[in-house]
Formats: sequence, structure tokens, C-alpha cells
Amino acid sequence: DTAVSQTPKYLVTQMGNDKSIKCEQNLGHDTMYWYKQDSKKFLKIMFSYNNKELIINETVPNRFSPKSPDKAHLNLHINSLELGDSAVYFCASSQALAANEQFFGPGTRLTVL
Amino acid sequence: DAKTTQPPSMDCAEGRAANLPCNHSTISGNEYVYWYRQIHSQGPQYIIHGLKNNETNEMASLIITEDRKSSTLILPHATLRDTAVYYCIVRDNTDKLIFGTGTRLQVFP
Repeated sequence: DTAVSQTPKYLVTQMGNDKSIKCEQNLGHDTMYWYKQDSKKFLKIMFSYNNKELIINETVPNRFSPKSPDKAHLNLHINSLELGDSAVYFCASSQALAANEQFFGPGTRLTVL
Repeated sequence: DAKTTQPPSMDCAEGRAANLPCNHSTISGNEYVYWYRQIHSQGPQYIIHGLKNNETNEMASLIITEDRKSSTLILPHATLRDTAVYYCIVRDNTDKLIFGTGTRLQVFP
């Protein structure tokens, strides 16, 4: 019974390509997030959505476009991939805005060559 | 930027208590202290949080000093599976979790 799932787990692609990472949660939560963990292991929030509406956008480049077709899904589309986009991307969800606990997915390791 | 300071690494013998300190001297009155951990190659996992009273759950205890400028996470009986990076986070009433560099806890047999 996976709570927060992400696909794919690994993604290797060339610079300039466009790619998407999918996230789904089966917890019935209202709020979902994307985080980026770079090679130095710093974990930073990118976006949060509540009931399909964007709440937080942490000065992420326009090449990153999250899409929430429904409350259970928050996908991340990245255009014109750059070397610096290589990182592990984590999806998370919480019951509501500012809920105490965020549940994280297993991560997607993106490598841009 | 993270508002917390933690030692970069600590060791603990299996079965002993692991006490992980955190300084948050600029914490304000409406900010909570949260602890998460990240086991290698996994997503972060919530452990515990508190405002000013000490808290305990099935995973850990959180001791917050009276002036709230520091706290300690206690794992009462550390196991090898507790080896992870532990993040102390000061959070206001928004959604943001701002992770610092954390403490890498190594539990050894």
C-alpha cells in the first residue's frame, strides 16, 4: 500500500530534452509538494499545491511547470533540461495546508547528460 | 535559509540512547520545532514536533529548553535502522519546511 508514489524512479536524459515526473498519493490529502535535493544533499521546496491550486512557487525557473489534474496527482514537467537540473526530486503530500506531517515519496533521480 | 544549527555527524552504539542537539536561537513565538529524518536513498520521514512543551511519541522524544533556543531529539534505544540524516526544522504556520544540512547519525553494533 504505497502512500506517495513517483514514476519513474530513475530518469537519464540529454540536455535540451523535455521530461515529466509523475506523483500520486492515495492518502486522500489535499496538499501536495515537489522538493529538489541536489548533489550536496540540500533539500529545497519547489512548489506546493492545495486542492489543485498553486500555493508556493519558490522562484523556480519557468522551465519547471507543475500540473495537478486532481487532488491525488501532482506531476512535474521540465522543459529544456539543463545539467544543473540533475538531482533527486521528491514528491510529498499532507492532509491540509500547514499540516504537521508531510509524507514523502521515494524520489526520482534525474540525470541530465 | 534554515534557522537551525546542528552538528554534522554523530555516532551512537546500538541499544543506547541517541541525543541529537539543535540550536535555534532566533526562533520566534509562533514557530514550531520539527524533526524529520532521511534514511539513505529514501524520502524524508516525519518524526516529531513541538512548540514549547516536551513531546514523546512511539519514535522519539523532543526536549525543548525553556527559552526555546535549543532542543534535543532523543531516540531512546537506537537501532541500526536509525542510521540516517536527522533534520531539525523551525517552521511557522505556513507550508514551508526549510531543511538545513542535518546531522548524520551513525548507529554502530
